[in-house]
Amino acid sequence: GAVVSQHPSWVICKSGTSVKIECRSLDFQATTMFWYRQFPKQSLMLMATSNEGSKATYEQGVEKDKFLINHASLTLSTLTVTSAHPEDSSFYICSAGGPTSGRANEQFFGPGTRLTVL
Amino acid sequence: GESVGLHLPTLSVQEGDNSIINCAYSNSASDYFIWYKQESGKGPQFIIDIRSNMDKRQGQRVTVLLNKTVKHLSLQIAATQPGDSAVYFCAETSMNTGTASKLTFGTGTRLQVTL
Repeated sequence: GAVVSQHPSWVICKSGTSVKIECRSLDFQATTMFWYRQFPKQSLMLMATSNEGSKATYEQGVEKDKFLINHASLTLSTLTVTSAHPEDSSFYICSAGGPTSGRANEQFFGPGTRLTVL
Repeated sequence: GESVGLHLPTLSVQEGDNSIINCAYSNSASDYFIWYKQESGKGPQFIIDIRSNMDKRQGQRVTVLLNKTVKHLSLQIAATQPGDSAVYFCAETSMNTGTASKLTFGTGTRLQVTL
């Protein structure tokens, strides 16, 4: 149980285009979802926290107009990287948590999405 | 809080030996700690957790020790196997009843198991 998926697993796009990444909780209701970014050989950096039906809370230094997060349902959150540039190339990981996961205080991680901006 | 990793320390151990991975956490208000394993190109995988009212917790082949006085965590892996090769992260948070709280990740340690 408590499985989180991400789509796509990898994406290559041209500079200036927008890319949408989906995060789904497959077998529980995700009342809270988190988006992380991880550069090579570095740790996970929290970008934002989203609660279903509410606006996302962004961490300091993360541009909310560039990284659009939508959490419109209890099983889906999306991260849209707008006007992507090569420096946005990274590994984007989502996690989800909720009371019906069986472990209410924990978050379960997706497999990540590798974004490469040319 | 934020955790920025500028480099990834590496621990090399021989197959069958015990591994000890250390982590210093930053927030004295954190009361819940988790160790994750991350294989290349994958998301973090939960290994073991510990609450601040404990100083030791054991799982299958893994033990986590917590020293709140010096804000230090360690992960011990017994009889390390090649499949244990990965990057290991500690994470800290404050527990909220019934909801997942945001995590602050440590720098990470790469574990290399040699044959």
